[in-house]
Amino acid sequence: NAGVTQTPKFQVLKTGQSMTLQCAQDMNHEYMSWYRQDPGMGLRLIHYSVGAGITDQGEVPNGYNVSRSTTEDFPLRLLSAAPSQTSVYFCASRPDRDYGYTFGSGTRLTVV
Amino acid sequence: TQLLEQSPQFLSIQEGENLTVYCNSSSVFSSLQWYRQEPGEGPVLLVTVVTGGEVKKLKRLTFQFGDARKDSSLHITAAQPGDTGLYLCAGPRIQGAQKLVFGQGTRLTINP
Repeated sequence: NAGVTQTPKFQVLKTGQSMTLQCAQDMNHEYMSWYRQDPGMGLRLIHYSVGAGITDQGEVPNGYNVSRSTTEDFPLRLLSAAPSQTSVYFCASRPDRDYGYTFGSGTRLTVV
Repeated sequence: TQLLEQSPQFLSIQEGENLTVYCNSSSVFSSLQWYRQEPGEGPVLLVTVVTGGEVKKLKRLTFQFGDARKDSSLHITAAQPGDTGLYLCAGPRIQGAQKLVFGQGTRLTINP
């Protein structure tokens, strides 16, 4: 099992560009989430999903869109990148809300 | 404002010493999880505590959930350099159980 796979691992964007961070899991987990990690702030929830076709906002959703068309995939879209979105992004999945998350290895995004 | 406050934020000690990391909140949590994160990787789940007053041991690591389910601690006995990393607590609030919120983390360095 690969677990949670995130691509790309590194990305540099210019302000205003758009891109999609990919996340796929092969554990048949219902719950998936996107977090961003900034120095001194731990992990902050961007968006989450409790199953295919169901998504909701987290603590810091502005500037990001998500969709969940399949159980396996949960892409995160940046519509118009801003320097404030420079961060490390983690995708995570878990079977249901009473379990801990399995995290991907992250995408380091720099917006210049 | 962090829902979960961790202290200390940074801790550097010598190999063989004992240490305790705290995770506190004014909110009640249905459970709390502890993760460890190494540079360039995603967090890895160490333990989940569910019952108020619960104590769980993982080799030299002891985790405790407060009686009121508002706080937790991680105690490491005879710390080793391999314990170095970022320790994060996380929990789903009772009212919003699908959302897992994280503390800002404790960066632990064990010096040989």
